[in-house]
Amino acid sequence: GAVVSQHPSRVICKSGTSVKIECRSLDFQATTMFWYRQFPKQSLMLMATSNEGSKATYEQGVEKDKFLINHASLTLSTLTVTSAHPEDSSFYICSARDSGTTNTEAFFGQGTRLTVV
Amino acid sequence: DAKTTQPNSMESNEEEPVHLPCNHSTISGTDYIHWYRQLPSQGPEYVIHGLTSNVNNRMASLAIAEDRKSSTLILHRATLRDAAVYYCILFNNYGQNFVFGPGTRLSVLP
Repeated sequence: GAVVSQHPSRVICKSGTSVKIECRSLDFQATTMFWYRQFPKQSLMLMATSNEGSKATYEQGVEKDKFLINHASLTLSTLTVTSAHPEDSSFYICSARDSGTTNTEAFFGQGTRLTVV
Repeated sequence: DAKTTQPNSMESNEEEPVHLPCNHSTISGTDYIHWYRQLPSQGPEYVIHGLTSNVNNRMASLAIAEDRKSSTLILHRATLRDAAVYYCILFNNYGQNFVFGPGTRLSVLP
């Protein structure tokens, strides 16, 4: 079945530094990818929608200058957390749907656990 | 996206069937019923989805009420590896992202 690969699975960074998370669709193309954030004991919350070749769409309350999204190809979207702070520590998850089908199934990456110290 | 309602938690014994309910009284005619599950420290995993008819796959069965206002995910024989949070989500081809509610936390007892 279709696979979405997310890298890294775990990262620890110092406060003030930037971290880049990659999301790849391995065997399908995705014109749109989604970035979610999940805090402990909570559900997934959509942060932004990544659009290939154009600007991302951010949900209310998500700072676009802090969470930079780039969707340069049909198989890769990246999320960069800039000037990370401890409150940015969370589980970040990407997802994508196959643009080449009408199938409504979504595929999720394995998630990235970010810890800012 | 239409809203779904699920119990916060459920418990099952290993090797017994589990029926996870979901209410979606405001479902529209074009909404598909999707089920995903999330194991600890992992991204959500697709389980099953359907529109009107009951669906079966290797992981589970999905029973959809005739009026489509509710559905039930059926795990035929729960294993310890089925312990996860199960999300029932409505989605159609006009939508973009999946909206996650709190889901049902399933515990499987040995």
